[in-house]
Amino acid sequence: EVQLVESGGGLVQPGGSLRLSCAASGFTFSSYWMHWVRQAPGKGLVWVSRINSDGSSTSYADSVKGRFTISRDNAKKTLYLQMNSLRAEDTAVYYCAREIGVYDAFDIWGQGTMVTVSS
Amino acid sequence: DIQMTQSPSSLSASVGDRVTITCRASQSISRYLNWYQQKPGKAPKFLIHAASSLQSGVPSRFSGSGSGTDFTLSISSLQPEDFATYYCQQSYSTPYSFGQGTKLEIK
Repeated sequence: EVQLVESGGGLVQPGGSLRLSCAASGFTFSSYWMHWVRQAPGKGLVWVSRINSDGSSTSYADSVKGRFTISRDNAKKTLYLQMNSLRAEDTAVYYCAREIGVYDAFDIWGQGTMVTVSS
Repeated sequence: DIQMTQSPSSLSASVGDRVTITCRASQSISRYLNWYQQKPGKAPKFLIHAASSLQSGVPSRFSGSGSGTDFTLSISSLQPEDFATYYCQQSYSTPYSFGQGTKLEIK
């Protein structure tokens, strides 16, 4: 079964750090570009970051640039999001998603992991 | 950055109705437009890519159209399982922005 499973969320104080993981199974992880998307409570979906298949190219939303780092370990079939200098407005469910096709749609999503930034 | 605007923000309809959701991009995105369905507490589900191509397994009552800046998602005969929130997303250029969502509720 093709699957993505996130982990690493939790409660963190403002200014703190957290690393999210996304474990892939059922497909050749190293062949796909991957993304992080977040959703604040009761709000819509917001794209966060993208990484290409070999990890050599990344993109970020302006709201997280310089604070978040996306990376991957293809040997471990795992995607990461290192989040530093966390703010209250980073509170959200974080989803990882697989990109497919010429039109870069997100066909497989994880179940999400909740990050709460609060003192 | 490209802004995506959906309308309406919410919609009430009955089982069997036909509904249409509109998505507008702030600049031309060709056909780089995708649609997702999300139910409460669940991850989004991929429905349509390239504006009109249905993902495998998605019922044929769903359809998409448009190109450039104006796009639509239609559901021809609403079923109880279709009541959810729908999001459009442009994948023309990063940041890959989403519309604000359209919540489809039972009348």
